[in-house]
Amino acid sequence: DIQMTQSPSSLSASVGDRVTITCRASQSISTYLSWYQQKPGKAPRLLIYAASSLQSGVPSRFSGSGSGTDFTLTISSLQPEDFATYYCQQTYSTPWTFGQGTKVEI
Amino acid sequence: EVQLVESGGNLVQPGGSLRLSCAASGFSFNYYDMNWVRQAPGKGLKWVSYISSSGSTIYYADSVKGRFTISRDNAKNSLYLQMNSLRAEDTAVYYCARSRDAYNGFDYWGQGALVTVSS
Repeated sequence: DIQMTQSPSSLSASVGDRVTITCRASQSISTYLSWYQQKPGKAPRLLIYAASSLQSGVPSRFSGSGSGTDFTLTISSLQPEDFATYYCQQTYSTPWTFGQGTKVEI
Repeated sequence: EVQLVESGGNLVQPGGSLRLSCAASGFSFNYYDMNWVRQAPGKGLKWVSYISSSGSTIYYADSVKGRFTISRDNAKNSLYLQMNSLRAEDTAVYYCARSRDAYNGFDYWGQGALVTVSS
């Protein structure tokens, strides 16, 4: 199975901050990488697919980059509604696996 | 508007069975692959199962293989997860999620159905 490791597991930030979350795959996954946002009690929301493509309706302050084993999710200017948990997911090979999550807190 | 609505979650005893349903609307269900993803209380996301648009290709996580069965009825715009031999560690919120293909992520999710396995 491909292991996905996110860092950090949690971070504290302020409104307006630039936030970067990293995700490392245990083997190359090309760009078969998605990022999701989840708020408490809610379903996950797709933010980024194919490592760097912005899902329709997602604000442009979210961006993704990377290929192979190392990936990054960046929020250019953190907004109050961005406080949530973020997950990466690989869909290169089954079982499709998620990172453990990164909680973004005030 | 795309909608996925899960139902069938409940409290069940260890060793018991449960069938989850996911009703789809607002899109051409038969064009999309579908998945089940679960989240144990306070834990992260874990992919459970996948079924292709036609139903011809199916995958399972090792933890549920042989116990869970995914299926779909394109005429009824519905996805199912038959869960047998349930264990305490299957306790989770179960989400159905749509995908166009493996490259494009899971773009729509249901609100989730809570399955609790306990005596």
